[in-house]
Amino acid sequence: AQSVTQPDIHITVSEGASLELRCNYSYGATPYLFWYVQSPGQGLQLLLKYFSGDTLVQGIKGFEAEFKRSQSSFNLRKPSVHWSDAAEYFCAVGGDGNQFYFGTGTSLTVIP
Amino acid sequence: EAGVAQSPRYKIIEKRQSVAFWCNPISGHATLYWYQQILGQGPKLLIQFQNNGVVDDSQLPKDRFSAERLKGVDSTLKIQPAKLEDSAVYLCASSLQGVYEQYFGPGTRLTVT
Repeated sequence: AQSVTQPDIHITVSEGASLELRCNYSYGATPYLFWYVQSPGQGLQLLLKYFSGDTLVQGIKGFEAEFKRSQSSFNLRKPSVHWSDAAEYFCAVGGDGNQFYFGTGTSLTVIP
Repeated sequence: EAGVAQSPRYKIIEKRQSVAFWCNPISGHATLYWYQQILGQGPKLLIQFQNNGVVDDSQLPKDRFSAERLKGVDSTLKIQPAKLEDSAVYLCASSLQGVYEQYFGPGTRLTVT
């Protein structure tokens, strides 16, 4: 069955520190992978996506993610976190038919 | 380019009442989705339209939820009658046909008391 696991419910980092949010997926076919960010009271904004090719993908706001097929993972990283990055982050997997499966999200708190 | 529009942004109703949400997708996007996001959870797909036809409604509670997409553009999602457990944010998203990125609206926060 298709599913996405985000092991960390909540993460706290200091401003300027590096960040890594974990995502593991289960999908029967070639996955399309996504990271979305959701600020309070807002909809979801696409940060980056992976369809094929280079396994390291760059997104907006200085984020990147690496697809590791052997580990069924698609972890999100940022070298230096800004206070404005505080939000909820969702990993999603999709495929043919466009149906997405979302993880339960990771809440990021940034402390000054 | 205008994004996905949703209204209302907030709605409070009593249980057993009915409610309707409206969504206007990005112009030219053939695929439209309705999601339910309960607090502390990721979005769950309720229904997916391709133009004005239903592609997937397997997770839509059809005894109380209904959705339509007239003329393949705007869509409405209705709940009748509402239950306490329907309290959630209802998100609308759209995508180009054959393209996998989904673009989300701001959502409607429903509180059922």
